[in-house]
Amino acid sequence: NAGVTQTPKFQVLKTGQSMTLQCAQDMNHNSMYWYRQDPGMGLRLIYYSASEGTTDKGEVPNGYNVSRLNKREFSLRLESAAPSQTSVYFCATSTQGNTEAFFGQGTRLTVV
Amino acid sequence: AQTVTQSQPEMSVQEAETVTLSCTYDTSENNYYLFWYKQPPSRQMILVIRQEAYKQQNATENRFSVNFQKAAKSFSLKISDSQLGDTAMYFCAFMNPRDNSGGGADGLTFGKGTHLIIQP
Repeated sequence: NAGVTQTPKFQVLKTGQSMTLQCAQDMNHNSMYWYRQDPGMGLRLIYYSASEGTTDKGEVPNGYNVSRLNKREFSLRLESAAPSQTSVYFCATSTQGNTEAFFGQGTRLTVV
Repeated sequence: AQTVTQSQPEMSVQEAETVTLSCTYDTSENNYYLFWYKQPPSRQMILVIRQEAYKQQNATENRFSVNFQKAAKSFSLKISDSQLGDTAMYFCAFMNPRDNSGGGADGLTFGKGTHLIIQP
């Protein structure tokens, strides 16, 4: 039982390159989230998906797109990476009723 | 929208001492959940303790306990008999439960964190 799995764990991109961060869960949760963590800022919500087929913007969605491929998978895409997107990215899921959240191990992304 | 404030960017105590981390929040909701997460250098987000707003009794988990003051919108974390392994970033977070229709705000709202250092 892996829980929430993110790939890759580390990535370095050049400005303007694109990439997709992958997240998969085996917890059978409906809700999935993408957060970014910057020093001194805590974690901020980028996008979320309350159920398969739906996605909504969070606090900091600019420069990102998401795709809820199925119940298990929720991907985050950077179309044209910028140095301001250097951050640690976390995928998370929450229980039915939104009473607890579970996190992946994070992806450290550096844009040079 | 909810906000969560952690006013202590960094704290340092000696091993075996008791330390209290502060958290205040702002919401117009009556029912919600509050959490403390620990993030060690491995960056894994580890749930330390959870409190339901409708419960008056403060949550406890071994050496970790909270002081939940709903009227004051305060949710502090007390760590007793602190250990070197408690050194980490600690985040206070707020979550709205989903209502019966499946609606309601989604996701956790986090404070900016407190870096706790336990000195030997």
